[in-house]
Amino acid sequence: AQKITQTQPGMFVQEKEAVTLDCTYDTSDPSYGLFWYKQPSSGEMIFLIYQGSYDQQNATEGRYSLNFQKARKSANLVISASQLGDSAMYFCAMREGEGAQKLVFGQGTRLTINP
Amino acid sequence: GAGVSQSPRYKVAKRGQDVALRCDPISGHVSLFWYQQALGQGPEFLTYFQNEAQLDKSGLPSDRFFAERPEGSVSTLKIQRTQQEDSAVYLCASSSTWVYQAKNIQYFGAGTRLSVL
Repeated sequence: AQKITQTQPGMFVQEKEAVTLDCTYDTSDPSYGLFWYKQPSSGEMIFLIYQGSYDQQNATEGRYSLNFQKARKSANLVISASQLGDSAMYFCAMREGEGAQKLVFGQGTRLTINP
Repeated sequence: GAGVSQSPRYKVAKRGQDVALRCDPISGHVSLFWYQQALGQGPEFLTYFQNEAQLDKSGLPSDRFFAERPEGSVSTLKIQRTQQEDSAVYLCASSSTWVYQAKNIQYFGAGTRLSVL
C-alpha cells in the first residue's frame, strides 16, 4: 500500500487565488512527521512546512498552512494568494516512527499558476 | 557552505561504465541522505549516514550501488556497471542532528541527473 498518496497529478490556478494540494498518508505508528517540499524546475527540493503527529494546532509558515485532519489521515497544503513563482512540483512526505530518519515521498502534484 | 552542493549536475554514462556522484552537505550537519528520483516520480530513499557511519542502506537497489562518507562530511555515491534503469536524478540531503527529533528538517541539494545510454 502507498504510504503517501497525492491524487492530483496537476493543478491549474489563477494568480492570487488560494490553492489546496491534497495528501493522504497511511501509518499505524502513533509517532510520525509530515513534510511538504517544493521542487522548481531547477531540481532542488525546498522545505515548506512540517506537521508532527502530536501537534495540537495546524502548522503555518507565511503563505503556507497545513490542514491536518488526523482521523482522516490527511495533511493538505494550502497556499494563500498564489504567485507566479509558486509554479512547481509539490511533494508530501512522511517520517514514520520514533527514531526513523528517512522520508517517504508521494508522487507529487504539478502546480501551475496562470497570470 | 550555504547549502547542500552536488556535483556534477549532469552526467552521461555509457552502459557498463562506473560513475561517482559527490555531495557536500551543509557545514556541521551530522546526517546525510541519498535519494533516487525517477522521471515523474517522488524521491525514493537509498541510504543514510550519521557522521561516517552508514546506518541504513536498505534502499540501495543492488550491490552495484555503494556509498561512503569517510570523514563524516563529503559523501560519494558510486554506481558500478551502470544500466539504463539507473537513469534518474540522485538527490542528497543533510540534517543537523542524528538525535531523533520529530521536526528534523532535511535540506536537499539540486541533484545530479544521470543518463545512461
